[in-house]
Amino acid sequence: DAEITQSPRHKITETGRQVTLACHQTWNHNNMFWYRQDLGHGLRLIHYSYGVQDTNKGEVSDGYSVSRSNTEDLPLTLESAASSQTSVYFCASSGGEGDTQYFGPGTRLTVL
Amino acid sequence: QKEVEQDPGPLSVPEGAIVSLNCTYSNSAFQYFMWYRQYSRKGPELLMYTYSSGNKEDGRFTAQVDKSSKYISLFIRDSQPSDSATYLCAMSATVSGYALNFGKGTSLLVTP
Repeated sequence: DAEITQSPRHKITETGRQVTLACHQTWNHNNMFWYRQDLGHGLRLIHYSYGVQDTNKGEVSDGYSVSRSNTEDLPLTLESAASSQTSVYFCASSGGEGDTQYFGPGTRLTVL
Repeated sequence: QKEVEQDPGPLSVPEGAIVSLNCTYSNSAFQYFMWYRQYSRKGPELLMYTYSSGNKEDGRFTAQVDKSSKYISLFIRDSQPSDSATYLCAMSATVSGYALNFGKGTSLLVTP
């Protein structure tokens, strides 16, 4: 069955370190999204991509970057992790026209 | 003011009750409306998807959209303890492959 996976599921890191969260989908969807979810804020869009080599900033993109070298993967990089980036991160994908977004299981990141 | 407002709850109801969950929005361009269900420590999963105004029914779930009032609702009939979760509304002005605007979610507890 087609699916969307995220790794790692849990990560603890230190302030200032670079961290990369992986997202992989097997639906061959063009559109992929990264969100963070925090108490009191709900889901907020970080970055999104509408296809290979396309990336766009979302509502809370500062301190994050993404790259899209193939259809299946959209890794999210925290260049220099900060305690404010402690959160649960969700990846989602969508086929586009008439389709909605399907979410991965999430990565719980703690920055100490 | 956020574009999408949703009461966070928590909402507690006895098993078998009818549950009403609501969201209001300010952007009159929104045309695509979704409800996601999120269990604890899991990713959001799509529950209902409607386009423009009107009702949509799926088993015990009914989604209503009133664009004139900028108000959407999700009704759950004969609620079950397994319905205990956080319910997120989401909406978009364009085809749903694009970035969604989420409410903060309403926490629902159905007690046996």
